[in-house]
Order: sequence, then structure tokens, then C-alpha cells
Amino acid sequence: GAVVSQHPSWVICKSGTSVKIECRSLDFQATTMFWYRQFPKQSLMLMATSNEGSKATYEQGVEKDKFLINHASLTLSTLTVTSAHPEDSSFYICSARGSGVYSGNTIYFGEGSWLTVV
Amino acid sequence: QKEVEQDPGPLSVPEGAIVSLNCTYSNSAFQYFMWYRQYSRKGPELLMYTYSSGNKEDGRFTAQVDKSSKYISLFIRDSQPSDSATYLCAMRGGGNKLTFGTGTQLKVEL
Repeated sequence: GAVVSQHPSWVICKSGTSVKIECRSLDFQATTMFWYRQFPKQSLMLMATSNEGSKATYEQGVEKDKFLINHASLTLSTLTVTSAHPEDSSFYICSARGSGVYSGNTIYFGEGSWLTVV
Repeated sequence: QKEVEQDPGPLSVPEGAIVSLNCTYSNSAFQYFMWYRQYSRKGPELLMYTYSSGNKEDGRFTAQVDKSSKYISLFIRDSQPSDSATYLCAMRGGGNKLTFGTGTQLKVEL
């Protein structure tokens, strides 16, 4: 199946700093990528949807200035958590939807990135 | 009422049992139905994908969709301890946005 890779798998940062998480589709072109946040024992919460070359669409309640999303190419999207605080500590997961016969209708997830803000 | 309802469990079964996982939904616009498996501290892994109503089988896994009842199921035959995980149902209409169930925690015991 299609592969979506996230990096880093885990990161610890100091409060007030920014951290960037990358999401790459390795064997297909992802026209649309999604960023989720997941709290322990809860389901995934969609944060934003990004389409290549355009601004991301954020879900209600998600601060766009705090969670910067860039989808600069068909294989790469990045999430930058700016001025991170301990309450931003969470599991962040990206997913990607491709186009065409290979992966057009299915959505694949990355392995997730654990962020701890100290 | 949530758009997608899924029993959170936990569900505990003996090794070799047949496992039945279910979701109900209320949005008749949903056309694409997926089951994901998520191990602890990992991202969800796509198990099954089904379009519209019908059955789909892949190895020990069978997915069923009954759009008339707004009910989807995932069956796992000959369950193994390695199947212990959280199983998430997900669905969408013609757009991109997935709507998830809360996930069912499954434990297969030796």
C-alpha cells in the first residue's frame, strides 16, 4: 500500500520555541494532506486540510497562526507549532490522499509524531 | 448524536475467536468506508476500504457495508494476539474529510 512518512517520530522542545513536523508521501503524489491531533485514548481530531499550492483550511477552534501548515509540493506538507506550550504536547498525525487509480479514493496515515513541550 | 457511533470497548476475546467490530452512522451521504488499525503510540494503518454497500474480504479480514441500515462491520477470523489494537472505522462522502468513530479497543488473549 501507499506509504506516508512523518519526521520526527518524537520531539521534545522547550516552551516558547517552534517545532516543525514533516509529512511525506513516498510513492504517490498527494494532492491533499490532512493534519490531526490525538489525545490519549481518544479518536483523531482533524486540525486542518491542505491542498498543494494553496492555503490550508483550518477546522473551527484551531489557531492558524499557531499551527502553520505548508504544502509546498505534491509529496511534502509541514506543520509548524509556533511558540509551543506544554498544552500543545500531543500526538500529531498526518494523512494523505492521492489522485488517480493508485490511491485516489483512499487516505493513508503517517506513523505520527509525539511532541512534548517542557 | 454523533455522526458515527462506535463502541469503545474494551473487547477481550480468546485467541482463535472470530471478532466482530461495528459502526453505525447517520449521514446518508457517506460513500467510502474504511477500517484502520492503530497500535499504541502509532499512526493508524489502513486495513480495509469499501465503496458503497457490499462485502470485501482480505485474508482474515472481512468488511461489510449495509447502507440501507447505515451499518458497517469488520470481522476478524482466527484472531491473534498481534491483532490487539484499537480499530477505527472512518467514512466520507464525496469530499476529502474523514469522519471517525471513537475506536474500539480489542485485546486478543492467549
